[in-house]
Amino acid sequence: SQQGEEDPQALSIQEGENATMNCSYKTSINNLQWYRQNSGRGLVHLILIRSNEREKHSGRLRVTLDTSKKSSSLLITASRAADTASYFCATDWGRAGGTSYGKLTFGQGTILTVHP
Amino acid sequence: NAGVTQTPKFQVLKTGQSMTLQCAQDMNHEYMSWYRQDPGMGLRLIHYSVGAGITDQGEVPNGYNVSRSTTEDFPLRLLSAAPSQTSVYFCASSSHRSLAFFGQGTRLTVV
Repeated sequence: SQQGEEDPQALSIQEGENATMNCSYKTSINNLQWYRQNSGRGLVHLILIRSNEREKHSGRLRVTLDTSKKSSSLLITASRAADTASYFCATDWGRAGGTSYGKLTFGQGTILTVHP
Repeated sequence: NAGVTQTPKFQVLKTGQSMTLQCAQDMNHEYMSWYRQDPGMGLRLIHYSVGAGITDQGEVPNGYNVSRSTTEDFPLRLLSAAPSQTSVYFCASSSHRSLAFFGQGTRLTVV
């Protein structure tokens, strides 16, 4: 299986603190994506980083990618109670630099709890 | 703009029954896929499609069939439900090199 691993499995922080989640994967990738899932809901895409990129920002989110270590991290700065959710990384089965076919392999997720 | 719509939201089946989970998208995406999510695990790919008339197996395809007769619809069929298929099912669609949009999920219980 190409399934990646995420750590920590659970993270509990106070509002205003930063939250960092890590993801490792096994094979070469086309891109790596991060998703958020609120309890009992569908997944919402957060950010996509391509295999030739090293860092990407979107609002309070910062994603890094190290293809030599086959790892990525998601940093949420100045966290809010509304950020409480599960966060998943997903790798795309497409060839590096090639076409995405929408086939994703997900990690097991990090459950983030932000206390007011 | 509805995005990805899944029906039903909840379903209880008896072992051996069959049913179809519906998925429709209105974004003209060429790629659609089905995943299942079990407690403590990430989503696992069941089947996917890269366009109308083209489908292929994912990581856990056994016990499920799919077809893609139109760009918009991608139904998932359970031929003979088993308790091991109790799960939450998500449909997703995406386009070339884009992020995926997910439906709200179908929570299926097989008793």
